[in-house]
Amino acid sequence: GAVVSQHPSWVICKSSVKIECRSLDFQATTMFWYRQFPKQSLMLMATSNEGSKATYEQGVEKDKFLINHASLTLSTLTVTSAHPEDSSFYICSARASGSGTDTQYFGPGTRLTVL
Amino acid sequence: AQSVTQLDSHVSVSEGTPVLLRCNYSSSYSPSLFWYVQHPNKGLQLLLKYTSAATLVKGINGFEAEFKKSETSFHLTKPSAHMSDAAEYFCVVSAGNQFYFGTGTSLTVIP
Repeated sequence: GAVVSQHPSWVICKSSVKIECRSLDFQATTMFWYRQFPKQSLMLMATSNEGSKATYEQGVEKDKFLINHASLTLSTLTVTSAHPEDSSFYICSARASGSGTDTQYFGPGTRLTVL
Repeated sequence: AQSVTQLDSHVSVSEGTPVLLRCNYSSSYSPSLFWYVQHPNKGLQLLLKYTSAATLVKGINGFEAEFKKSETSFHLTKPSAHMSDAAEYFCVVSAGNQFYFGTGTSLTVIP
């Protein structure tokens, strides 16, 4: 149980790209988007709550990293006007709704390369 | 304030020998603590979680961790390392709505 998928697993783009994060066997009111640089820890970009606007961390451009959490099983991250410095490993996680637990279950990540 | 310190950035052990990955935390609350493992180019997999039910927590793949409040530590151990244990390990403290990650410990297992 508690499986989270991400699509695509890797992508090369020049302008914009949408990354999907799905909780496959549970509902997730809250999903999180992280960015990870090589040999580094995860950096939280934003917290996504179903049906409401995402909460972005300081320094993260909300107009560049668009997050939509339209259902209890799907959140999307769209990177717009992408530049090579946006190339990174993007990981989402999901927290089960109503479980009273703070455990986050992570997706397998998306490797983004911007040309 | 919440923070996590993983005391070793790299740990190298021989296959079949014990593993010890050290983690100290700081939390204003009664914390939830986690260990996650990340294999190359993969997401994070939950190894185990402490939630105050028992100080010794058993996880998957033979790992366990002991919560020591007096030492503010949550070290991860395994009696016998396997080649497949080679990966990056993250200690995490949960507070409020957020996870606070350690900087990670890279475990190398020597055949």
